[in-house]
Amino acid sequence: DAGVIQSPRHEVTEMGQEVTLRCKPISGHDYLFWYRQTMMRGLELLIYFNNNVPIDDSGMPEDRFSAKMPNASFSTLKIQPSEPRDSAVYFCASSPPGGGFNQPQHFGDGTRLSIL
Amino acid sequence: GNSVTQMEGPVTLSEEAFLTINCTYTATGYPSLFWYVQYPGEGLQLLLKATKADDKGSNKGFEATYRKETTSFHLEKGSVQVSDSAVYFCALSDRGSQGNLIFGKGTKLSVKP
Repeated sequence: DAGVIQSPRHEVTEMGQEVTLRCKPISGHDYLFWYRQTMMRGLELLIYFNNNVPIDDSGMPEDRFSAKMPNASFSTLKIQPSEPRDSAVYFCASSPPGGGFNQPQHFGDGTRLSIL
Repeated sequence: GNSVTQMEGPVTLSEEAFLTINCTYTATGYPSLFWYVQYPGEGLQLLLKATKADDKGSNKGFEATYRKETTSFHLEKGSVQVSDSAVYFCALSDRGSQGNLIFGKGTKLSVKP
């Protein structure tokens, strides 16, 4: 079975540019999560969706960040404009239906983002 | 609110040593508990889980027992290998969270030959 697929794996761009990260969850999963990982802050939940609807976006750092899930097989995380402090590894994860709290999350391999 | 506290790392062990990584939690109700492992350059992978008190999760020689009385879920392995070198995350999920996991800060394990 294909796992969670993220693209790109690496992104290097200059401050002020728009960055779009992409995620394809596992087929049949109805929860999708976006995380950010840094050495200083560890793993932070940014936002999560259930059935394509955002449930909790309280972790989104500021208005420069936005996330969408137009259908069950695709989600994007966009940063506009990007800043050097956004440099991090961004993970997408999905989990199957069934109430959620007993279900493990399946992670992609992440996008390593560097803002110069 | 819910929270997870893990022992600070890094932890450095010799091959075949015994491993314990402590994890305690704060939660209302009866959460599910998880250990995830992250190998270098990869995403997190589920290592094991327990969904109710006194359950023992186990996988790849690792074990953890859900202790409600001490609100703990310590990870143990009797004999570590170099290939176990990774970052280990303890996490919880409760019924009200709709699948949202609360992660600890992670503990880096290095195993030397």
